[in-house]
Order: sequence, then C-alpha cells, then structure tokens
Amino acid sequence: KAGVTQTPRYLIKTRGQQVTLSCSPISGHRSVSWYQQTPGQGLQFLFEYFSETQRNKGNFPGRFSGRQFSNSRSEMNVSTLELGDSALYLCASSLDGGQDETQYFGPGTRLLVL
Amino acid sequence: AQRVTQPEKLLSVFKGAPVELKCNYSYSGSPELFWYVQYSRQRLQLLLRHISRESIKGFTADLNKGETSFHLKKPFAQEEDSAMYYCALSGQGAQKLVFGQGTRLTINP
Repeated sequence: KAGVTQTPRYLIKTRGQQVTLSCSPISGHRSVSWYQQTPGQGLQFLFEYFSETQRNKGNFPGRFSGRQFSNSRSEMNVSTLELGDSALYLCASSLDGGQDETQYFGPGTRLLVL
Repeated sequence: AQRVTQPEKLLSVFKGAPVELKCNYSYSGSPELFWYVQYSRQRLQLLLRHISRESIKGFTADLNKGETSFHLKKPFAQEEDSAMYYCALSGQGAQKLVFGQGTRLTINP
C-alpha cells in the first residue's frame, strides 16, 4: 500500500497570506490527523477528521482550519499567516481513529512564513 | 490535562551497552502509550505500543501505572538505533496524540 502523501513538500509565504496543505491517507484509512512540529513546542495536535467531520481539536486559534472529503483526503488551511506559523506540518492517518490505533505519518509540509 | 515528559533531550551510549529512554506521563484516565521513532531522513513511524506488549527491534517498554512511566529499553544498543525517539499518549476515546519533546539517541561505535 502506498503511504501517506502530503503536498506540497515545501512552501514559502509572507505574513498575512493564507495557505492550504493537502494530505492523502493510506487507502482504506478514514481518520486523518494533523500536527504542527516546531523546535520550541515540539509536536502538537491540531485536529482530527473522520468521515468528513472534525472529531477532535487541539488548542490552536481559529485561523487554523481543515476539512475532509468523501475519499478521506484532507486539507488544512491557515489564514492570515504569522511568522510563528513557520513549522513542519505533519498529517497522519489511521483506520478508524481508535485510541489504540497506530497512526501512519506523512513526510510533512515545511512552511516558511517571511 | 494530558502531558508527556521525556527528561533527556540527548542520550549517548556505546554500541553493545544497555539503553533506557525515560518517559513519564500525566493523565487521569486510561491512556494508551506509544513510542514513535524518526530515523535520519525518514518519516515518523511507530516503534511499539503498550497494548501490543511486543518487542520491536529488541526494544521493550513497560507501562508502570504507579509511577506513570513508560520507559523504553534495549539490552544491547546497535548503531542503527541512532534516531529521535518520541513517547506519546492517547487519551480515552480520542485519536489525538500528545507527544513528549523527544530524545535524540546516539549510539557510538
């Protein structure tokens, strides 16, 4: 099976712009989670989508949003970018999003905000 | 609140020596605990999880609910074990993972 894929891999934006990142989960996986990784804060959970519905949400401002499509592909959007949004954004998928399920991570999208 | 603490940012041991990466957690319910690993230029991947109670690549981890710990151990380190290791917790009914800050393990020849 193909692994989790994320596009684009690298992105440079300026403050105030918005950005959309895409994630394609492993075939058959219905749960998609997003994480932000920074040197200072480490890996932090953004949100989880299952069957096109946001099921869990982390402590991020409303500028961070996401959605999931009927084929389980997911996108996350960040509006009004700030310098602090520069990070590696990781997407992970799992079968049904159960507490004990393994999450399979993508390679990440590295976002640089100037 | 859920919290995972990995007290060592860096750990360096010689090949063949025992390795122990520490992980402590804070959670009031019944957590699921995981160890994820990231080798150089590879994506984050699962190493092992508490519920499986298995040994992967010679690593084991025991959940100690009294001490709220989930330390990762290997009796004889190998050079290919050099990587970044993350302890993570998943709370009841949620897929959300709370990660520790990670420990960079270096195995010296």
